[in-house]
Amino acid sequence: SQQGEEDPQALSIQEGENATMNCSYKTSINNLQWYRQNSGRGLVHLILIRSNEREKHSGRLRVTLDTSKKSSSLLITASRAADTASYFCAMTTGANSKLTFGKGITLSVRP
Amino acid sequence: DGGITQSPKYLFRKEGQNVTLSCEQNLNHDAMYWYRQDPGQGLRLIYYSQIVNDFQKGDIAEGYSVSREKKESFPLTVTSAQKNPTAFYLCASTRQHRLDEKLFFGSGTQLSVL
Repeated sequence: SQQGEEDPQALSIQEGENATMNCSYKTSINNLQWYRQNSGRGLVHLILIRSNEREKHSGRLRVTLDTSKKSSSLLITASRAADTASYFCAMTTGANSKLTFGKGITLSVRP
Repeated sequence: DGGITQSPKYLFRKEGQNVTLSCEQNLNHDAMYWYRQDPGQGLRLIYYSQIVNDFQKGDIAEGYSVSREKKESFPLTVTSAQKNPTAFYLCASTRQHRLDEKLFFGSGTQLSVL
């Protein structure tokens, strides 16, 4: 089944640096979403980008989508210790409105 | 405050026992979902409900059952037929079951086998 593959699996950066996370997928998508999960908690929706969009911004978050390469990236600028979490991409394909999640990226931001 | 409440936060199951995980939402959402999360894995869909009195199997429904008798409630029963139930279970909801809806999640229930 369609599942996003995030890269890298884990990322450790210093506070203030930018964090870039990537998600690749196999078949055409309707839209792609990014979620954040703090340890032992539920997921929180960050941003949704549609297949006809190339870039979206939300605060310190920037998401890009390249449908020709079947990939998306999530950029967090000026990272903070509070950004430490797991980040998941999720997507819907075809007429299937079920959301399929990747395995996640663990981001650690060192103070 | 509107949101999704899952209970209990931790649950232990004995061999051969059925256990029920609670999920309640006051967001007035039509659609509700149950996901299972294993360490190092993405979320996998167990069951979903688009509207009251209706539900469909997800990708890993075997060993689980659900009901949707009220709009606000979508309990998940982990039956004795589920041989590997230890996981983190997440309930979520959306306004409607549509392609462009974002999911709102509860805080999860960690189920372990005694």
